[in-house]
Amino acid sequence: DQQVKQNSPSLSVQEGRISILNCDYTNSMFDYFLWYKKYPAEGPTFLISISSIKDKNEDGRFTVFLNKSAKHLSLHIVPSQPGDSAVYFCAASGGGPGRRALTFGSGTRLQVQP
Amino acid sequence: GAVVSQHPSWVICKSGTSVKIECRSLDFQATTMFWYRQFPKQSLMLMATSNEGSKATYEQGVEKDKFLINHASLTLSTLTVTSAHPEDSSFYICSARDRTTGGGGNGYTFGSGTRLTVV
Repeated sequence: DQQVKQNSPSLSVQEGRISILNCDYTNSMFDYFLWYKKYPAEGPTFLISISSIKDKNEDGRFTVFLNKSAKHLSLHIVPSQPGDSAVYFCAASGGGPGRRALTFGSGTRLQVQP
Repeated sequence: GAVVSQHPSWVICKSGTSVKIECRSLDFQATTMFWYRQFPKQSLMLMATSNEGSKATYEQGVEKDKFLINHASLTLSTLTVTSAHPEDSSFYICSARDRTTGGGGNGYTFGSGTRLTVV
């Protein structure tokens, strides 16, 4: 049973436009959410995170929005750059008592066209 | 920033042999280590969680006798794939967490991964 879902396996965006990556979760015990960027055969690179007590967090070109009632979060990248092309994973922690391991979504491949 | 060094980055081994993967935290104390596995074009799946000095906790469906985890010190954790078979071929990644400072990336510092190919 997938507790973290990324329903769009791929996304293509023009350079300079906004990229919006979506993520849904089912476990209401998750209290911390993170976004990672990943290239093949490399470890994930942390981008931005958000606590469940907030609904928005911004860091430069990256903004994460959290809608707890809908169990939905999204990552906005503005403006998108060709170097942003990679696979993006959302992850969540706190899915159970004392549980801090991350549960990952299946990833979305972002392609930013020059 | 916090760094986790993972070795080897890739390894090819014969079926039936064992392979050891090491993860070292270089500038913080990794009180907890998570081990993940990623099959091609799939998500990172948690295999086990280990706390320094304690036995690892394995996720459902992960054979503890096949995937031996040792976390004997605050800076080193190892994953040994015993009697490897072709279906064990995958990308293995460790992630360290420091209970005091949280490590990097808001608490989770990942290694660079190990590509295991069993032939």
